[in-house]
Amino acid sequence: KQEVTQIPAALSVPEGENLVLNCSFTDSAIYNLQWFRQDPGKGLTSLLLIQSSQREQTSGRLNASLDKSSGRSTLYIAASQPGDSATYLCAQGGSEKLVFGKGTKLTVNP
Amino acid sequence: DAGITQSPRHKVTETGTPVTLRCHQTENHRYMYWYRQDPGHGLRLIHYSYGVKDTDKGEVSDGYSVSRSKTEDFLLTLESATSSQTSVYFCAISATGGREKLFFGSGTQLSVL
Repeated sequence: KQEVTQIPAALSVPEGENLVLNCSFTDSAIYNLQWFRQDPGKGLTSLLLIQSSQREQTSGRLNASLDKSSGRSTLYIAASQPGDSATYLCAQGGSEKLVFGKGTKLTVNP
Repeated sequence: DAGITQSPRHKVTETGTPVTLRCHQTENHRYMYWYRQDPGHGLRLIHYSYGVKDTDKGEVSDGYSVSRSKTEDFLLTLESATSSQTSVYFCAISATGGREKLFFGSGTQLSVL
């Protein structure tokens, strides 16, 4: 059974800090790894998608990496801001569907 | 933002009552999904569709049925709602299944009393 794990479940940091969120997956035969953001009471917003042939993707202050051999992905957030506070979920993409981790709840304190 | 509309946004119903949730998309995407999100369990796939009248089960499909008679609409039905089905339900769409970005609706908060 495919499993995606995100540790820690919650993280609190001061504003301005650079931080890394971790995601591990069990199936090396992935199509892609996707990162999402979810604000309270809202749906998920797609942040980054890394294809299995890629090593990383960047969007603004966000950088996501993928290491298929170790079954790990990281989401790096530079110069964190209070507006980055949200739950971040990763998902392993298969041919037809995704398997989600349970997320890391990030709080950035002013 | 992807054109996905879920209705209703909130619903309170009683145990044993049938309930239908609707997802409507304007993107003409082939794949549509229903997830439920619960504390401690994260997002779990209920059913998905890969085309009109083509559907398949997810990991938590018991007690749920789906229908897709048009590309733009995907319905989730709880035949006889139970308290364990109290949850937030999300619809999502994708052009090519798991190989491209997944776009989510705003969710339906369902309470079964």
